[in-house]
Amino acid sequence: KQEVTQIPAALSVPEGENLVLNCSFTDSAIYNLQWFRQDPGKGLTSLLLIQSSQREQTSGRLNASLDKSSGRSTLYIAASQPGDSATYLCAVTTDSWGKFQFGAGTQVVVTP
Amino acid sequence: DAGVTQSPTHLIKTRGQQVTLRCSPKSGHDTVSWYQQALGQGPQFIFQYYEEEERQRGNFPDRFSGHQFPNYSSELNVNALLLGDSALYLCASSSPSESSYEQYFGPGTRLTVT
Repeated sequence: KQEVTQIPAALSVPEGENLVLNCSFTDSAIYNLQWFRQDPGKGLTSLLLIQSSQREQTSGRLNASLDKSSGRSTLYIAASQPGDSATYLCAVTTDSWGKFQFGAGTQVVVTP
Repeated sequence: DAGVTQSPTHLIKTRGQQVTLRCSPKSGHDTVSWYQQALGQGPQFIFQYYEEEERQRGNFPDRFSGHQFPNYSSELNVNALLLGDSALYLCASSSPSESSYEQYFGPGTRLTVT
């Protein structure tokens, strides 16, 4: 059974620091890994999608890496801003139908 | 181009009642998945609909049922509500015609059971 873990559960950094968020999964036979952002009480906003054949994806200040063999993904956010404060969720699918298994998320606070 | 929409935004029900939540997928998407997110936790997969059929189901009781219409919109029904059903219900859409199978989520429906 696939299990997804995100450590740490919460993180507080001063503005301008780089953020490093970790995600680990127990079954390396994944199809996709997707990183999401969630603001309090809101839905999920997709940040980056990494397909199983890819090693990383980049979008602006965001970079996500994937190491299937070790069951890990890392989301890097460069030069953090107070607007980056949110909960970040990692999710994996093990088939093309897209049933997600989510981690519990990392709650990030960026202080001005 | 409208993204995934859900209604209602908030809902308050009494234990034992029944509720129906609605979802319209992103334009061009034909697959709809439903998730339940309790406070402080990651979303849990309820079920997925494709071509008006339930294709996959998570570990949820039969009190949770759904439907998909010919226009790909979907409903989630929950019978005999329990206090523990209080959560944010999220709908996601995707399409097998998009090779990446990226999923897009709606804003969610906040259900409170009293």
